[in-house]
Amino acid sequence: QSVLTQSPSASASLGASVNLTCTLRSGLTNYAVAWHQKRPEGGPRFLMKVNSDGSHRKGDGIPDRFSGSRSGAEHYLTISGLQSEDEADYYCQTWSVDLSWVFGGGTKLTVL
Amino acid sequence: EGQLLESGGGLVHPGGTLRLSCAASGFTLSGYALSWVRQAPGKGLEWVATISPTGRGYYAESVKGRLAISRDNSKNWMSVEMNSLRVEDTAVYYCAKVLERWLVQDTFDMWGQGTAVTVAS
Repeated sequence: QSVLTQSPSASASLGASVNLTCTLRSGLTNYAVAWHQKRPEGGPRFLMKVNSDGSHRKGDGIPDRFSGSRSGAEHYLTISGLQSEDEADYYCQTWSVDLSWVFGGGTKLTVL
Repeated sequence: EGQLLESGGGLVHPGGTLRLSCAASGFTLSGYALSWVRQAPGKGLEWVATISPTGRGYYAESVKGRLAISRDNSKNWMSVEMNSLRVEDTAVYYCAKVLERWLVQDTFDMWGQGTAVTVAS
């Protein structure tokens, strides 16, 4: 079982909202999770970190349209008011002394 | 606004050596852990190595023994020497800064644009 599991793809219409899911492996539900956006060109972009208590910290300049939440082992990245530039790959990530730094497989988001 | 800039990528034969560098501008790297993350063609992000603020290195199993990460805080610079390169090391390599100062185990809040490494004969 992978440490982090993401659906390979998601799609939603321009202006709509979408929830991307990242599932932590059993036994790791108290780990913090971060989200990163990767467009085809350029480096990844840090979106936010969601702690085990649900508190979060967003990256500089990340619009309010991006929000994160968690419920048990499930972590959610919600993007509202989808814009064309939101079309990208989204990676969740966690870390620990035992795991080092681990990324999910990524979700390719298509904006219709 | 701070940024990271990688350099040193290129084409290298299997078994060869390459040194990648990451320079910071607009802020000081001192006190921050720094990492290399790669993305192979058509694949996802993969953590490769991290150096702590005090210079201790951490390596993924896939590169352990072949990579050596180092830093020079006075030059605001980090590098990784990659030896015994394999075809499967072909990827774009990104340097990244860990979010919180003096923490090693944390996420990455700043990324570079990447430098491409191709290992082929």
